[in-house]
Amino acid sequence: EPEVTQTPSHQVTQMGQEVILRCVPISNHLYFYWYRQILGQKVEFLVSFYNNEISEKSEIFDDQFSVERPDGSNFTLKIRSTKLEDSAMYFCASSVTVDRTDTQYFGPGTRLTVL
Amino acid sequence: RKEVEQDPGPFNVPEGATVAFNCTYSNSASQSFFWYRQDCRKEPKLLMSVYSSGNEDGRFTAQLNRASQYISLLIRDSKLSDSATYLCVVNLILDTGRRALTFGSGTRLQVQP
Repeated sequence: EPEVTQTPSHQVTQMGQEVILRCVPISNHLYFYWYRQILGQKVEFLVSFYNNEISEKSEIFDDQFSVERPDGSNFTLKIRSTKLEDSAMYFCASSVTVDRTDTQYFGPGTRLTVL
Repeated sequence: RKEVEQDPGPFNVPEGATVAFNCTYSNSASQSFFWYRQDCRKEPKLLMSVYSSGNEDGRFTAQLNRASQYISLLIRDSKLSDSATYLCVVNLILDTGRRALTFGSGTRLQVQP
């Protein structure tokens, strides 16, 4: 069964450093998402991406964040200058369409720890 | 008011028990509804979609009441492997085309031998 993959599984960084989290969505999917989950809290939407541009972003997704699809398979989330409060699990998801009933499939996540 | 509200639990039940979780959502324009399951420190995984007429998948039954903005999940004959956090998830599509899932905080289930 095809699945979303994410690398690395765990990233430790110093405050102020840039990090790039990588995702490979399911190959025939067209819509890509990033979510985050701070330890003990709910999953929160960050951004959705379609046709090489951001289609929606939440208030969490400020100027420190950016997304890119650098090639035909990878989808990346960059945090320019990490803060302590960026420590969280970051989940990538993808779906075939934007149909309201379509399932979003989640990757295993990257645990980001900012020291 | 929270967009999606759930009782955090935990629900501690013996194997074989029937357990029900409830969820309410605040936006009446919400269009689709799901239950996801999340194991500790893992990704959310779709358990089932929730349809207006109610739907069943094996031991799991989901119900939707649009008038009351209420969703439920019933698990029959609980197994040890059902122990997890159950996330109520709502999909609201706006004129902007946004299709982002809104998650509840989850209800934790612990099935005991």
